[in-house]
Amino acid sequence: NAGVTQTPKFRVLKTGQSMTLLCAQDMNHEYMYWYRQDPGMGLRLIHYSVGEGTTAKGEVPDGYNVSRLKKQNFLLGLESAAPSQTSVYFCASTSSGTGGYEQYFGPGTRLTVT
Amino acid sequence: LAKTTQPISMDSYEGQEVNITCSHNNIATNDYITWYQQFPSQGPRFIIQGYKTKVTNEVASLFIPADRKSSTLSLPRVSLSDTAVYYCPSGGGADGLTFGKGTHLIIQP
Repeated sequence: NAGVTQTPKFRVLKTGQSMTLLCAQDMNHEYMYWYRQDPGMGLRLIHYSVGEGTTAKGEVPDGYNVSRLKKQNFLLGLESAAPSQTSVYFCASTSSGTGGYEQYFGPGTRLTVT
Repeated sequence: LAKTTQPISMDSYEGQEVNITCSHNNIATNDYITWYQQFPSQGPRFIIQGYKTKVTNEVASLFIPADRKSSTLSLPRVSLSDTAVYYCPSGGGADGLTFGKGTHLIIQP
């Protein structure tokens, strides 16, 4: 039982490049989330999904797109990376049965955009 | 949008009990109160949740008064390994959590 895993762990992009971050969970959770964390700050919600095939915008969705084609995977895409997207990205998942309050977080992806 | 307020930093010593208080302005009637812990270079880890009164688990206790406008996370007999950032996010449910900057707890020997 690996919990929540994220790929890759680190990435450096040049401005304008694109990339996809992958989040996978093996706990059969319905809800999945993408957050970003900037230095000295709390986490901010980018996008979330309450089930396969559904996504919704969070607090800071601009510049990102997401997809949830399979229940266990949640992808975060950056179509044209900008230096302002330099951050640590965390994926989380939780069960609808627990009300969504006990979230399980992945180890994070550290992204630098130059 | 409901937000929480907590001290930016606290420090204590090994073996002491530490209490971190969070203010929950405009908490929704149905929302639970949760606390998370985060170590450097790691994702947050769920510690405890409650709705009213007191909840205790193997690592912490959570005190919530009847009006639910605040909560207190209590860590008994802290050690150096409890040095971390502690969050009391607002929201929850399917829509996700809203995290503030958290409380940076430093435990000294």
